[in-house]
Parts: sequence; C-alpha cells; structure tokens
Amino acid sequence: NAGVTQTPKFRVLKTGQSMTLLCAQDMNHEYMYWYRQDPGMGLRLIHYSVGEGTTAKGEVPDGYNVSRLKKQNFLLGLESAAPSQTSVYFCASSYSWGQGYEQYFGPGTRLTVT
Amino acid sequence: GENVEQHPSTLSVQEGDSAVIKCTYSDSASNYFPWYKQELGKGPQLIIDIRSNVGEKKDQRIAVTLNKTAKHFSLHITETQPEDSAVYFCAAPPFSNSGNTPLVFGKGTRLSVIA
Repeated sequence: NAGVTQTPKFRVLKTGQSMTLLCAQDMNHEYMYWYRQDPGMGLRLIHYSVGEGTTAKGEVPDGYNVSRLKKQNFLLGLESAAPSQTSVYFCASSYSWGQGYEQYFGPGTRLTVT
Repeated sequence: GENVEQHPSTLSVQEGDSAVIKCTYSDSASNYFPWYKQELGKGPQLIIDIRSNVGEKKDQRIAVTLNKTAKHFSLHITETQPEDSAVYFCAAPPFSNSGNTPLVFGKGTRLSVIA
C-alpha cells in the first residue's frame, strides 16, 4: 500500500516551458487535490476533483490545468511556466470532502522556474 | 470566507519542555479542527483533530484544546523530543464558504526541539 505517490520529485523549467505532474493513489479515494506550498503562505488549493472525470477550481487555479481520467490518477499541468509558479506542489486524496475526513498527502514535487 | 491565523511562525524549545501553538479562525460555523505535521522533505500528515462538541482531546504527548466562544484552538506537545521537530499546520473548514476548498490552512509553525 503506497498511499499517495507523486512524480517527478524535482524539476527545473525555463519560463514558457510546459510540464505535467502526476499523482497516483491506491486507497480508492474519490476526492483528490493539488496544493502549492510557498514559504510563509501555508498550503493553498489549486484544483480538486470529486471523482473520475470531474475537476473544479480551488483557491489559486490560474495558470494550471488538471485532468482525472482514471480514479487513481490526478494530473496537474502547467502550459506556460512562470517564475511565480516556483513552489512545492503536493497532491492529496481523501475518502470524502471536508469536515472529519483526513487528507493523505504525497511527498511533494519541488518545481523551480527560471 | 474562513480566515485561519497561526502563531507563532517559529518556536524553539529545549528537549523535555512543552510547546504550544495557537490558531484562531473566523467562521463561527466551523466544527472540525485538524492539525497536520510536516517533516522535512515529506508531505503533511494528520496527527490529531478535534470536533466542536468537545473541548479537549489527548493522544499520548499531544493534545488539542478548543475554545468555540473565542474561536481559537491550540496544539500542546509535552515532553518534547527531537523527532517532534517539524512544521505544524492547523486548519479549519470554511463551513459557510463558496465551496472551493475543504480546509483553510494556517501558515504553519516551524518547531525546533533542541537537544
């Protein structure tokens, strides 16, 4: 039982390049999330999914796109990377939404955009 | 929407001493308050949570207290050990919000336990 895994662990991009971050979970969770973590800013939700084939915007969605083609996978895309997207990205999953449901986090992807 | 304030941002304690981290929230309808611990190089992990129908919850050396009237909740770690060194996040659900996030996180507290 691997829990939540993320690939890659590190990535350096140049401004304007694109990339996709992959998240996978083996807990059969319906809900999946992408967060970014910046120094002094805590965790902010980018996009989330309430089930296979669904996506929705979180608090800071601009500049990102997501897809959930399979229940166990949640992809985060950057079409044209900007230095402001330098951050650590965490994927998480949960059985249900909101109050009382633990979120399980992956180990993170450190992205640097130069 | 919900606003969660967390203090202090950094905290250093001697091994064996106690550590207290405090959070305040703005949405009076919120009724679930988790604490997550993030070790270096890892993702956050839930360590304890509390619901609004209780005032205190303990799990070995950690405890969480809740004051609904004052809208604040605190994490207490007793007999601190080096492995308690980490970043701690509090969170609260935006009960009355637009629904674009299940939890609003505080900005985190970096705890250092000095041996």
